[in-house]
Amino acid sequence: GAGVSQSPSNKVTEKGKDVELRCDPISGHTALYWYRQSLGQGLEFLIYFQGNSAPDKSGLPSDRFSAERTGGSVSTLTIQRTQQEDSAVYLCASSPRAGQEKLFFGSGTQLSVL
Amino acid sequence: AQSVAQPEDQVNVAEGNPLTVKCTYSVSGNPYLFWYVQYPNRGLQFLLKYITGDNLVKGSYGFEAEFNKSQTSFHLKKPSALVSDSALYFCAVRDVDTGRRALTFGSGTRLQVQP
Repeated sequence: GAGVSQSPSNKVTEKGKDVELRCDPISGHTALYWYRQSLGQGLEFLIYFQGNSAPDKSGLPSDRFSAERTGGSVSTLTIQRTQQEDSAVYLCASSPRAGQEKLFFGSGTQLSVL
Repeated sequence: AQSVAQPEDQVNVAEGNPLTVKCTYSVSGNPYLFWYVQYPNRGLQFLLKYITGDNLVKGSYGFEAEFNKSQTSFHLKKPSALVSDSALYFCAVRDVDTGRRALTFGSGTRLQVQP
């Protein structure tokens, strides 16, 4: 596709349920990032993938959060046993390579935990 | 550790007037600096970046930013604001001298340009 695609665009779930958020990066981009944007706050870094290197998971807020990137392309962010404080917009971004390249962001997944 | 501060939650400016959106950063090494913009109901878009070289960086839509190492600032500017510039602006930094590749973003500044 022409840009970074995220699905679903909106997700409403009940507290305690697991959710999976999907990101399709721009074809050929080797770097992929997940960020979280909470209401009234900035972007919070979650995790970063670069090629076949070990991901930088330093931003994951708890062990309920995990992410994988299959075949160097599609990525899935999984949140287990969701809590109300997990409600936010989850943004995915990709770039041709890590470092000084600009990031291309998807439109995000609005997650609401009831 | 790397961090970014955007001291103003909102900036109001009249159309045609110059605008400044402030950003200061903290890194232990040398910074790469970025500005991104988020228009209503649209994703974040890259505006400009400072990597090295000229301290004045020009970007999209007539925006520019000035890197000031002594003041650790990277303020976003535009000589003449447009109503269509109204959006949420984010400053971001990456410490070049660490192994960390991810950008750290500020909390954002909402720019409101009045007609």
